[in-house]
Amino acid sequence: EPEVTQTPSHQVTQMGQEVILRCVPISNHLYFYWYRQILGQKVEFLVSFYNNEISEKSEIFDDQFSVERPDGSNFTLKIRSTKLEDSAMYFCASSPGTYYEQYFGPGTRLTVT
Amino acid sequence: EDQVTQSPEALRLQEGESSSLNCSYTVSGLRGLFWYRQDPGKGPEFLFTLYSAGEEKEKERLKATLTKKESFLHITAPKPEDSATYLCAGKNTGNQFYFGTGTSLTVIP
Repeated sequence: EPEVTQTPSHQVTQMGQEVILRCVPISNHLYFYWYRQILGQKVEFLVSFYNNEISEKSEIFDDQFSVERPDGSNFTLKIRSTKLEDSAMYFCASSPGTYYEQYFGPGTRLTVT
Repeated sequence: EDQVTQSPEALRLQEGESSSLNCSYTVSGLRGLFWYRQDPGKGPEFLFTLYSAGEEKEKERLKATLTKKESFLHITAPKPEDSATYLCAGKNTGNQFYFGTGTSLTVIP
């Protein structure tokens, strides 16, 4: 069964450093998403991506965040200058269409020290 | 402001004791109400999508229903393996999804 994969599973970085989180969505899906979940809190929408551009973004997704689909399979989230409060689990998801369910990856746990 | 509220926060059931989880939503022009299951340290796993009031969907011991203001996830005769956090999310007219904080379900053998 196709699944969304994410790498790395755990990333530790120092405050101020740049990180890139990687995702491989399900191959025939058209919509891609990033979410974050701070420990013990709700899953929060960051950004949706369709047709090689951002279709929606939340207030959390400020100028320090960017997304890219560099080739036909990968979808990345870059955080330019990490802050302590960026420590969270980051989930990638993909969907075959805008009104369809999303399939989530296993997440990347980001720890900023 | 679009938001989703789930209750209760936590629920402990004896095996076989049926119950319901609630999801209240205020999402502009709702374009789908989604239920997910999340196990500790893992990503949410899709369960159901509901699109219009009155719609119902079932899968094994789970049944989801939708009204104009809330959704319910009914669990019939739960088993210990149903223990997880159950999340609901509403999609608005854009492409944003709003998740609730979840209900942590524990089923005791």
